[in-house]
Amino acid sequence: GAGVSQSPSNKVTEKGKDVELRCDPISGHTALYWYRQSLGQGLEFLIYFQGNSAPDKSGLPSDRFSAERTGGSVSTLTIQRTQQEDSAVYLCASSLMSNQPQHFGDGTRLSIL
Amino acid sequence: QKEVEQNSGPLSVPEGAIASLNCTYSDRVSQSFFWYRQYSGKSPELIMSIYSNGDKEDGRFTAQLNKASQYVSLLIRDSQPSDSATYLCAVNENFGNEKLTFGTGTRLTIIP
Repeated sequence: GAGVSQSPSNKVTEKGKDVELRCDPISGHTALYWYRQSLGQGLEFLIYFQGNSAPDKSGLPSDRFSAERTGGSVSTLTIQRTQQEDSAVYLCASSLMSNQPQHFGDGTRLSIL
Repeated sequence: QKEVEQNSGPLSVPEGAIASLNCTYSDRVSQSFFWYRQYSGKSPELIMSIYSNGDKEDGRFTAQLNKASQYVSLLIRDSQPSDSATYLCAVNENFGNEKLTFGTGTRLTIIP
């Protein structure tokens, strides 16, 4: 497809487990972003990748959260030792370049039991 | 703390009328401004982008930016029931700080 692809679309896991969320950006887009949206809340920035530059990790809420982007394309967001407050929709976006409009994937709905 | 403020609504507008959505932001160095539409249970969809003072029109949508007042708005003309959604205002600084700061959104309902 032509858009940002995220998987899985839904993930239910037990508290304390690790989860991995995947994002495949639009082909040719050099910038990739992760956000999360909790119920009734606005979108919260997590991390940003631009080309080969060091990522901007300033939005990661704790050291349980990490992300990588391999080969300048696919990105994986990992949450270790999940907590109930991690329950949210995790959204990935990409843009052609860092100052261009961001286009979002359909998100991963994460539920921690 | 950079903030983007929106009236949460709900804003109810009759079909065919003009819907006016407003957003203020706190960071004076903000350079890029975006409006996203989000249907319930769906991801945000880009509607408009605006970078300089004044109006920008695209079909039934007009974005207005006033950097001196730190204010950006979205007008929807000839509102349709399909316009019923939450509208998110987003701002970023550029100049190496590319993350978007979002408002919490205004819920718009178009009444047939």
